[in-house]
Amino acid sequence: QIQLVQSGPELKKPGESVKISCKASGYTFTDYAMNWVKQAPGNGLKWMGWINTQTGKPTYADDFKQRFVFSLETSASTAYLQINNLNIEDTATYFCTRFYNSGYYFDYWGQGVMVTVSS
Amino acid sequence: DIQLTQSPSSMSASLGDRVSLTCQSSQGIGNYLSWYQHKPGKPPKPMIYYATNLADGVPSRFSGSRSGSDYSLTISSLESEDMADYHCLQYKQYPYTFGAGTKLELK
Repeated sequence: QIQLVQSGPELKKPGESVKISCKASGYTFTDYAMNWVKQAPGNGLKWMGWINTQTGKPTYADDFKQRFVFSLETSASTAYLQINNLNIEDTATYFCTRFYNSGYYFDYWGQGVMVTVSS
Repeated sequence: DIQLTQSPSSMSASLGDRVSLTCQSSQGIGNYLSWYQHKPGKPPKPMIYYATNLADGVPSRFSGSRSGSDYSLTISSLESEDMADYHCLQYKQYPYTFGAGTKLELK
């Protein structure tokens, strides 16, 4: 069955970096774009952007253009989100989610990774 | 950016009630709107896609509709498992944007 399995929770200090993984299984990884979504505590959902799994080209929402990097390890069917120079406002749960192009929606989601930034 | 305004922000209803949640778009997005159910500690679950289509495995008591720039998610007969936050999302243009959500609680 189709699954997106993300890495475990992270506790980081301000200024550090974190790299979250999202391993896909049960389908051809390069057939579907991978998107990232942020949910800060007490806040709603925010779309961060997406990465083309065929070309590796990322597209970032404006708020995520500076310190955020989407990448792939296609041979391992894995997408990554790296956040550099972490600050307190990066404390959130980060979800990867597959975009189903035939229906135009996010059909499968990772379980989410809680990143806590605290001094 | 396209703004999605969800109403109400929260509501309480009784089991068996018919419930409608609304999402209004600030710009034309056609049918490029989907709905997600989100429970604490879980990932969002797709409920409706392309405004009116039921996602796989979603009970038939859920339905989606559109009237102009107003989109609705309706639950015909509320069950206890339906208590959750519901978010709409537009895919018409970048950046994709979510509504702020409606929190559905049991009365």
